[in-house]
Amino acid sequence: AQKVTQAQTEISVVEKEDVTLDCVYETRDTTYYLFWYKQPPSGELVFLIRRNSFDEQNEISGRYSWNFQKSTSSFNFTITASQVVDSAVYFCALSEDWGNKLVFGAGTILRVKS
Amino acid sequence: DGGITQSPKYLFRKEGQNVTLSCEQNLNHDAMYWYRQDPGQGLRLIYYSQIVNDFQKGDIAEGYSVSREKKESFPLTVTSAQKNPTAFYLCASSHPTENYGYTFGSGTRLTVV
Repeated sequence: AQKVTQAQTEISVVEKEDVTLDCVYETRDTTYYLFWYKQPPSGELVFLIRRNSFDEQNEISGRYSWNFQKSTSSFNFTITASQVVDSAVYFCALSEDWGNKLVFGAGTILRVKS
Repeated sequence: DGGITQSPKYLFRKEGQNVTLSCEQNLNHDAMYWYRQDPGQGLRLIYYSQIVNDFQKGDIAEGYSVSREKKESFPLTVTSAQKNPTAFYLCASSHPTENYGYTFGSGTRLTVV
């Protein structure tokens, strides 16, 4: 069965600090997809990244970077030089195939203080 | 612009009443989903549909019903059998060739009064 664990319930940092959000997943499939979403106070889910299981390259997008390690079943998300606008709930999610359910972690609340 | 429209944004229901949440998409996606979000929890899957006139139960389907008569529409009915319906409901759709995979609506916040 699929499972996603985000062990950090809430993280508080001061602006300009770097912060890493952890995500550990479980799946029996060899092909799967991992996602990160941001949920601001307004409630909508903002897509950040999708990573296929056969592509272990790390990715950087501006201040955001992702570290995918199949050996440890982890897909961690780092925000460099955090800003107040980064304050939100961040969800890691796993799908074993399109059209199949997207399984979410419990989410990590990130609070960035000025 | 293509996207998913959920309505209404806020909904109040009296105990014992059924209520239907609307979800419409113009993305030509085959698969659609309903998720429930409670405070401090992740999103849990209620129902999903991979094709018109077919749908499957998710992890918390009890007290809910859906229909998929048209590709664009996937309404969710919260029945009186749902013991604790107050929550935030999100609808999503997906297409296999799109990089972001899943598109979400802006949600409906249901409150039982």
